[in-house]
Amino acid sequence: DIEMTQSPSSLPASVGDSVTISCRASQSIGTNLNWYQQKPWTAPRMLISSVSKLQSGVPSRFRGFGSGTDFSLAITNLQPEDFATYFCQQTDRVPPSFGQGTTVDVK
Amino acid sequence: QLHLQESGPGLLKPSETLSLACTVSGGSMRYSRSSWGWLRQTPGQGLTWIGAKSYDGLTEYHPSLKSRVAISLDTFKNQFFLSLDAVTAADTAVYYCSKSAEVNGGAEDWGPGIQVTVSS
Repeated sequence: DIEMTQSPSSLPASVGDSVTISCRASQSIGTNLNWYQQKPWTAPRMLISSVSKLQSGVPSRFRGFGSGTDFSLAITNLQPEDFATYFCQQTDRVPPSFGQGTTVDVK
Repeated sequence: QLHLQESGPGLLKPSETLSLACTVSGGSMRYSRSSWGWLRQTPGQGLTWIGAKSYDGLTEYHPSLKSRVAISLDTFKNQFFLSLDAVTAADTAVYYCSKSAEVNGGAEDWGPGIQVTVSS
């Protein structure tokens, strides 16, 4: 299985901040990388597919980039509704696998 | 707007078979060239993709579950199903159904999830 490693696991931040979450794959996955946002007691929601394609309704303050083994999710001008846990997922090889998550919480 | 909803038993005993259904509304499975799958989540293991089945019958399963799992579709009833044999406490999780563009693709739509507990 391809192992996905996210850092940091916790990211304290304030409204208005810019934050970046990193995701590293154990082998090259091309651009087959998705990002999800999950709030407590709800299902994950896909934010970004194929490294940088924003899903419908996702604000432009979210940006994904990277290729190969190293990827990042950047959030600028953090809003109250952005405090959540974020997961990366590779879909290059079966089984699709997820990172362990990064929780963006209030500083 | 597509809506998915899981249903099934919340409590099973070890060695029983877990059977979950996902009902799709707001769209027709019959006319959707999509894949329909299942994932689960635990505090310790995180998110795990279980498997998926495409509209044209292509199926993929997680290798660690392949011997115990089956996914089936009933496009006429707009439902799809998960069967997981011989459950143990390690199968205790929140189970989600999902829709993807491809059988090993990202989950574009999710159900709200159902807690399944395996305990004697």
